[in-house]
Amino acid sequence: SQTIHQWPATLVQPVGSPLSLECTVEGTSNPNLYWYRQAAGRGLQLLFYSVGIGQISSEVPQNLSASRPQDRQFILSSKKLLLSDSGFYLCAWSVGRRVTEAFFGQGTRLTVV
Amino acid sequence: GENVEQHPSTLSVQEGDSAVIKCTYSDSASNYFPWYKQELGKRPQLIIDIRSNVGEKKDQRIAVTLNKTAKHFSLHITETQPEDSAVYFCAARSQGNLIFGKGTKLSVKP
Repeated sequence: SQTIHQWPATLVQPVGSPLSLECTVEGTSNPNLYWYRQAAGRGLQLLFYSVGIGQISSEVPQNLSASRPQDRQFILSSKKLLLSDSGFYLCAWSVGRRVTEAFFGQGTRLTVV
Repeated sequence: GENVEQHPSTLSVQEGDSAVIKCTYSDSASNYFPWYKQELGKRPQLIIDIRSNVGEKKDQRIAVTLNKTAKHFSLHITETQPEDSAVYFCAARSQGNLIFGKGTKLSVKP
């Protein structure tokens, strides 16, 4: 069966520090991978999505970047965090070319102080 | 790109009443419309979905309708229960990406 792992679950980082959140998927190949951010009391904002290794599409300009070094690994990064980067970050995956549901990781609660 | 609008942002109903949440989308190429339920502090989980070749789908107390011409789809929850209280998200998928609405916070009062 397929599983998705996202870590860490919570993170408190000072302004200006770097960020690296990792997401891995098991049990499937060539998944679509997504990073979403959910600010307090707000919806799910799509940050990045990837349809394959090294293929990253960005939905909004921001202080963050994403990379997909392996088929089932998706990394969200920042060189210098801003206060506005605080939020709940969710990784998700769906089957590559088929129209199917997306499955979410547990999420990372990031607080920038 | 796709844009999904969701209304209302908050909805309060009495236990046993029905709840309806509506979404519109902009990309006529979108062909998959899932609904997710997110309980406080947890990940969103799929509750029902509909594909563009279907007009309506029902699963017990939950139903979804799709109007492709008008580009809108709705979630209907009947006989609401306190455990239905959560944030509900609609989404639309076109090609590879999945775009969500801003969510509806549903409160079911006993």
